[in-house]
Amino acid sequence: EAGVTQFPSHSVIEKGQTVTLRCDPISGHDNLYWYRRVMGKEIKFLLHFVKESKQDESGMPNNRFLAERTGGTYSTLKVQPAELEDSGVYFCASSQGARSGAGELFFGEGSRLTVL
Amino acid sequence: SQKIEQNSEALNIQEGKTATLTCNYTNYSPAYLQWYRQDPGRGPVFLLLIRENEKEKRKERLKVTFDTTLKQSLFHITASQPADSATYLCALEDMGRRALTFGSGTRLQVQP
Repeated sequence: EAGVTQFPSHSVIEKGQTVTLRCDPISGHDNLYWYRRVMGKEIKFLLHFVKESKQDESGMPNNRFLAERTGGTYSTLKVQPAELEDSGVYFCASSQGARSGAGELFFGEGSRLTVL
Repeated sequence: SQKIEQNSEALNIQEGKTATLTCNYTNYSPAYLQWYRQDPGRGPVFLLLIRENEKEKRKERLKVTFDTTLKQSLFHITASQPADSATYLCALEDMGRRALTFGSGTRLQVQP
């Protein structure tokens, strides 16, 4: 069974440009999460989808970030316009979800974003 | 918000010994606590989950304890192997909210 896949694995862009990251969760997983790790910091939560609905977007840093999950399958995270402080590794994770709680999360390998 | 503390210094042990990693948190006890392993350039991989009403959980050579009085979780790897060398992340989940709060991780190096 395929795991969580993310694309691109690495993106280098100039400040002010736009980047779109894509995540394909494990088939059948209703829960999809975006996390990111900026240099030297902990992995931080960005948002959580249940199917196509945003359940919790409290971790989104500002309105330059837009996440979508049309049809409840794959998800995209767009950064527009990108700033230097957006550099880091963006992780996507999916889960079936336990009866209560997030349960085990399956992470992708991450998309490294470098903003110059 | 929760603050999680994991030893920032690397832990170096000899093969065959037991590795013990610590996760301390500062505020209210989370509903769930998870441990993940992360290798360089890879995503975190789930290892174990323990609930606030559980004291201990085991899986093969791994053991996790959860002490809500001390606000601490300990993660043990018995009979450690060089292949266990990685960064180990502690993550907390609050009741009713499925977002995980991660610690910065502890790097474990098992010497052959």
